[in-house]
Order: sequence, then C-alpha cells, then structure tokens
Amino acid sequence: NAGVMQNPRHLVRRRGQEARLRCSPMKGHSHVYWYRQLPEEGLKFMVYLQKENIIDESGMPKERFSAEFPKEGPSILRIQQVVRGDSAAYFCASSPRISRDTIYFGEGSWLTVV
Amino acid sequence: ELKVEQNPLFLSMQEGKNYTIYCNYSTTSDRLYWYRQDPGKSLESLFVLLSNGAVKQEGRLMASLDTKARLSTLHITAAVHDLSATYFCAVDANTGNQFYFGTGTSLTVIP
Repeated sequence: NAGVMQNPRHLVRRRGQEARLRCSPMKGHSHVYWYRQLPEEGLKFMVYLQKENIIDESGMPKERFSAEFPKEGPSILRIQQVVRGDSAAYFCASSPRISRDTIYFGEGSWLTVV
Repeated sequence: ELKVEQNPLFLSMQEGKNYTIYCNYSTTSDRLYWYRQDPGKSLESLFVLLSNGAVKQEGRLMASLDTKARLSTLHITAAVHDLSATYFCAVDANTGNQFYFGTGTSLTVIP
C-alpha cells in the first residue's frame, strides 16, 4: 500500500513563474491536507480538502495560492507568480475520514524560487 | 490562534544520556501528536496521546500528556545516534481539520 505520493520532490522556479505541486493520497483516503514548512520553522496549515470540495482554507494566503482535489486525479497546490518568500517545503497529508487520529504525510515538495 | 511552543529548540546530547523535550500549548485540546523528521524527509508519526494522563512508550522514547497543564513531554532514555532528528509536537483544534505544530526540537546525539 503506497504512502502519500508527492511530486515533484524538488522544483526550482524563477520569480513570476507558476509552481504546481501534486499529491496523491494513500489508497482509500479521501481527505487531503496541505502544510508549508519554512526554513527553521514548524509546519503551518494551509488547506484541507475532500474530493471536489475545499473544507477549510483558513491557512492559505489570499492571493496567488489555490488548491483543488478533483474527483479524479491528485490534489494540486498551485502558486502563481512565485516570489522568493514562497521558497519552502510543501507537505501533503491524507486521512481516510475527518480524523483526530494521526494523518499521514508525504515526503514533501521543496520549492526554490530564484 | 492556538500556539504551540517547544523547548529546547536545539539539543546536543551524548550517547547514553537521558533528556526531556517539552511541548506547551495555549488552548484546550485533548489530543497531542509527536512526529519525527529526518533531514529532507517527511514526518513520521511517533505517538498520538488521546487523553489527560496518557503515557506511551516506544523503545527509548516515552511521551506523556497533561491536558490540565497543557503540557506534553517526550523523554529520551539512554540516547543513541539513530535518534538524531528533529522532533515536532502538534495539537489539533478539536475540529480534526488542522494541526498546529511546534517549531521543532533539533536533536543531535554525539557518540
């Protein structure tokens, strides 16, 4: 049973370009969470999605960031017009239901903006 | 906003020694999570503490939770080099939607 799969693992973008990060949850999991980890900091919640629905996006920056989890295919975190401050590790996690048990993290996507 | 503080932020300890990492949080929550992260890797779940007074042990690590004091501890017994990693505690907001993470404790075990 494959774990949470994220790609790309590493992504370099120039300022002003777009970054797309993909996350395939564990088999049987329909809940996806995105977290961002800035250098030397803990993880910060960004968004929580179920299939075709954004449930909680209270941690998402208001501009340039969007997330989706379509009926088919992976969840995508999209960052438009990237800036240097977007450089971070972006982690996706999944769970089978709204869960107060642990959630399962992917290996992360490291975005570097040059 | 719920705040989670860990201390120490950096910990260097010799093999064979014992030490405790502390995690304080600012609001009521009855669940606390401990994760381990190796450099460039994902977070590995270590413990889920579900109630006041909960204590869990796995190998050289033992975690406890005091919900009244809003405090969790991660105790390391007779440290070995393989325990070198960053350890995070996390608390949820009783909604199941999101976890609030501490800033992490970077542990280095020296031979």
